[in-house]
Amino acid sequence: DSGVTQTPKHLITATGQRVTLRCSPRSGDLSVYWYQQSLDQGLQFLIQYYNGEERAKGNILERFSAQQFPDLHSELNLSSLELGDSALYFCASSVGGTHTGNTIYFGEGSWLTVV
Amino acid sequence: GQQVMQIPQYQHVQEGEDFTTYCNSSTTLSNIQWYKQRPGGHPVFLIQLVKSGEVKKQKRLTFQFGEAKKNSSLHITATQTTDVGTYFCAGRGAANFGNEKLTFGTGTRLTIIP
Repeated sequence: DSGVTQTPKHLITATGQRVTLRCSPRSGDLSVYWYQQSLDQGLQFLIQYYNGEERAKGNILERFSAQQFPDLHSELNLSSLELGDSALYFCASSVGGTHTGNTIYFGEGSWLTVV
Repeated sequence: GQQVMQIPQYQHVQEGEDFTTYCNSSTTLSNIQWYKQRPGGHPVFLIQLVKSGEVKKQKRLTFQFGEAKKNSSLHITATQTTDVGTYFCAGRGAANFGNEKLTFGTGTRLTIIP
C-alpha cells in the first residue's frame, strides 16, 4: 500500500460524458501528479500540482482539467469523453518536486472505460 | 520535446538468465529514476541516479547512468519469477531546471519462463 488513494477504482461511462477522478496523496506529501496509461502504453504525464498550485504540465488535453485543494487532495476532470480516453489514470504524490529527487508514490489507479 | 525510449520493448528470458533494459533520452537529463510495474499493478519506485557515470546496486539489480547523462541501464542478474513486470525509466531534463515534468520511457516488459 503506497498510501495514495484513488477513487473510483473502475468507471464506465458513455462518450460525451464528464467524469471526475479523485486522489488523496500520502500524508505529508505536497506534490500530486496525474498520469495516463493506455493499454500496452507507457505512462503519459498529464499535470502536477504542488501545494495547491500548478507546477508542471504535460500532454494534457484541453478537455481535461485538474486542481489541488487546500487539504491537498486532487481531482482530475475529464469532459466530452471519447473512446480514446479509455485508460488507466494514475495519481502519484511526493513530498517535494521531482527536481529534489523525492520518491514518487503511485496510487492503484482508476480504470476508465468509455463506451 | 524530450523523448525517452527504452529497448527492448519486450524480453522473455529463462529463469536464471540475466536481463538488461536500456533507456535513451533525446536530451541531457538531470536525474533518472527507475520504476517497476507488476502486471495489474501500479508503478513502484526503485531508484534514482543523479551523477554522471553513477552505478547503484540493489541485490541482483544494477543501475547505471551514462557519462553523458543521456542514457541509463538496468541489469538484473539471475532472474527470478518475482522479477516479472514492466520496467520504466523516467528522466527529468537538465535544460528545464525548475520544471517538474518527469518523462517516462516506453517501458520494457519482462516475462520469465520457469
